[in-house]
Parts: sequence; C-alpha cells; structure tokens
Amino acid sequence: GAVVSQHPSWVICKSGTSVKIECRSLDFQATTMFWYRQFPKQSLMLMATSNEGSKATYEQGVEKDKFLINHASLTLSTLTVTSAHPEDSSFYICSAEAAGPGPKQYFGPGTRLTVT
Amino acid sequence: EDQVTQSPEALRLQEGESSSLNCSYTVSGLRGLFWYRQDPGKGPEFLFTLYSAGEEKEKERLKATLTKKESFLHITAPKPEDSATYLCAVQRKAAGNKLTFGGGTRVLVKP
Repeated sequence: GAVVSQHPSWVICKSGTSVKIECRSLDFQATTMFWYRQFPKQSLMLMATSNEGSKATYEQGVEKDKFLINHASLTLSTLTVTSAHPEDSSFYICSAEAAGPGPKQYFGPGTRLTVT
Repeated sequence: EDQVTQSPEALRLQEGESSSLNCSYTVSGLRGLFWYRQDPGKGPEFLFTLYSAGEEKEKERLKATLTKKESFLHITAPKPEDSATYLCAVQRKAAGNKLTFGGGTRVLVKP
C-alpha cells in the first residue's frame, strides 16, 4: 500500500519550453502533496505544498510563476516548469501525505529533468 | 528555523560491521522525526517515524532511537544491500505537514 507514482521518470527538453510532471497516489487519497527538488549529492529541498482544491503554498525563494502547481483531485498533483532553463535541470520528487494513525509522507520515484 | 544535521556525511563499512548514524535536530515543537532510505536515482523510501524521546523502532537490521536533541539509526550486521543514503527529517507542529531534511548519510557496505 501507499504507492506514489510520477510521470515521466525522465524528460529532456529545450530551453524555453514548458514541462509538466504528474504525481499520483495510487492506492490512497492525499489531501496534501509536496514537491521537492534535489541536486546531485544534496538533500531534498521543499519547493511547495499542494492542497487539493486550493492554491499551492510556495517556499521562500521559489518562483510561483515558474513552477506552476495544480492539485485537481485527491490523487493527482502536477508541477509545470514554465520556460525552462538549464539551471532548472534537477531531480524533482513529489510526496503524498497518507491519512491514518501518524503522519507519513510517501515519496514518488522522482523525475529527472534535463534542459538543453 | 528548523535545523537538521546528519553525521557522518559518508560511511564505509565492511559487511557485518555494525555502526550508527546520527541526526541532530533543533525544532520548536517536534511533531515527528522521520527516517528514509534513498537509492541513487530513486525517491526516498519510508523507514520509521518517531514521536517522543525514548521511543525506539526496529525493522530488520535497522533500529531507530530518539532523544530530545538527536536520533540514531543503528545498522546491525549490515549487508551490501543496505548500501544507500539515509535521510533524516523533522516535522514541526506549527508548520503543517512540511518536512525539513538533513543532508543525509551515504552508507556503503562492502562484501
């Protein structure tokens, strides 16, 4: 149980284009999902918190107009990187909070974005 | 501001050589401390949640403990398949469900 999927697992795009990444909770409903980015050999940095049916809350320093987050249902959140640049190349990971005893976040497998 | 510091940054062990990883934290109002395992190119895999000082949890060769200032992840008689990066994260009561991660400890277990 508590499986989170991401699609695509890797993507290469040209500078200036936009890329959408999907995050799905497969066997549970998640009112809250989180988006992280991770650079090589570094830890996870929270980008934003996404709540179903409401606007995402972005961490300080994260451009909300560049990283568009939509949480349209209890099982799906999307991250769109708009007008991507090479410095946006990173490993993007989502997590979903499962209900029930004790707060637990389950992570997706990540999406490797390379902007050329 | 919540702070999480993990040590050591990297650990090389021989198979069967037990060791401990440290996670020191500073947080106002701890809701929970989490341990995750991350393999290269993959998302973190949930291991444990600890809620209060004195709590301990075990899973196979791993045992996590918690005090008011730090947590330890003990690896007993590790095997090569235990090689991974181990991440510690804290969740603060007044910060919703956000996690603040430490830098991780990269563990390599050699046969």
